[in-house]
Amino acid sequence: DTVLTQSPGLAVSPGERVTISCEASESVNTRMHWYQQKPGQQPKLLIYKASNLPSGVPARFSGSGSGTDFTLTIDPVEADDTATYFCQQSWNGPITFGSGTKLEIK
Amino acid sequence: QIQLVQSGPELKKPGESVKISCKTSGYAFTDYTIHWVKQDPGKGLKGMGWINTHTGKPKYADDSKGRFVLSLEASAGTANLQISDLKNEDTANIFCVRSGHSDYFDHWGQGVMVTVSS
Repeated sequence: DTVLTQSPGLAVSPGERVTISCEASESVNTRMHWYQQKPGQQPKLLIYKASNLPSGVPARFSGSGSGTDFTLTIDPVEADDTATYFCQQSWNGPITFGSGTKLEIK
Repeated sequence: QIQLVQSGPELKKPGESVKISCKTSGYAFTDYTIHWVKQDPGKGLKGMGWINTHTGKPKYADDSKGRFVLSLEASAGTANLQISDLKNEDTANIFCVRSGHSDYFDHWGQGVMVTVSS
């Protein structure tokens, strides 16, 4: 199965720019997607196919990458962005998720 | 609007079975696949399998084979997951999710907490 490795948790201040990385153990083309999960809630789709923003997601969120290296960027970050962010690939075999990056807003 | 509404929390003993439902609305049920995703308490996400809502054919993750059954009540827009011979390690929050052709999950159920404890 394709293993997705995410950057560890981080803490930033409101107004800053934050990047969260996800590295795949093999190429996933651009079939990488990002989700935001707040405590007690279901995950919410933030980015699909590496760089596409679903309707209703603020333009502060963006995604980039292809192959094995992907990035989710939040600019500027807001207090409400406190959450865990997961990447997910759908190119190889069974879908797999990263272990999540916990974002704390100071 | 598009909704996936799951059945309520379950408390079961080891060896028992559980059936979780996922009632969809607001879209054409057979146009999208339903996946099931597990989240152990405080942990990450893992795919359990999916079902083609057009053909009814299920596909199970390797560690979901044998005790897991995915089914449909297509006329009611509902997908079901049944787990038999429950084990303590089946304790998890289980989500049903909708996916299109590229297998990203644009709509999620609220999750069902399944607790297995003697």
